[in-house]
Amino acid sequence: AQSVTQLGSHVSVSEGALVLLRCNYSSSVPPYLFWYVQYPNQGLQLLLKYTTGATLVKGINGFEAEFKKSETSFHLTKPSAHMSDAAEYFCAVSDSSASKIIFGSGTRLSIRP
Amino acid sequence: DGGITQSPKYLFRKEGQNVTLSCEQNLNHDAMYWYRQDPGQGLRLIYYSQIVNDFQKGDIAEGYSVSREKKESFPLTVTSAQKNPTAFYLCASSSIEGSGYTFGSGTRLTVV
Repeated sequence: AQSVTQLGSHVSVSEGALVLLRCNYSSSVPPYLFWYVQYPNQGLQLLLKYTTGATLVKGINGFEAEFKKSETSFHLTKPSAHMSDAAEYFCAVSDSSASKIIFGSGTRLSIRP
Repeated sequence: DGGITQSPKYLFRKEGQNVTLSCEQNLNHDAMYWYRQDPGQGLRLIYYSQIVNDFQKGDIAEGYSVSREKKESFPLTVTSAQKNPTAFYLCASSSIEGSGYTFGSGTRLTVV
């Protein structure tokens, strides 16, 4: 069975500081990995995804994530936080043989002026 | 533009009532999903359908029902058997394996 663990339900950083949101996964097969962002009272929007190939994945809004198989991690980073990055972020994993996606419990990102 | 439309955005239900949440997509996606979102609990899968006229229960199907008569549509009915229906409901769709989901903007259901 697949699972996702997001470390930290709430992360607060200063504007201009590095953003690091942690995600570890469990999968018995090569995983497909995703990061989604959710703004208040809205649906989820895909930030980036890893399927195969290059382990450093670049997404929208300056975010990127690195797939590390040895650490079973897929942490999300952004070099410099902006106030507009304040939102809830979800890490997710999918079995390569099926389309159903398992979501983590989410991390709320706050940005301090 | 292609996308998923959920309606209504806000819905109020009286005790004992059944209500139906609409989800329509024009992305030609085969699979569709319904999630429930409660504060601090992430997304929980209610039902999903990978093909027309077929659907499977997710993790929290009790008190809910769905139909998939058309590829574009996957309505969710919240029945009176669902004792705590107040939540934010999200519909999603996907096509090619590994491509990720496209989400609708959600319906917020409140029991009054």
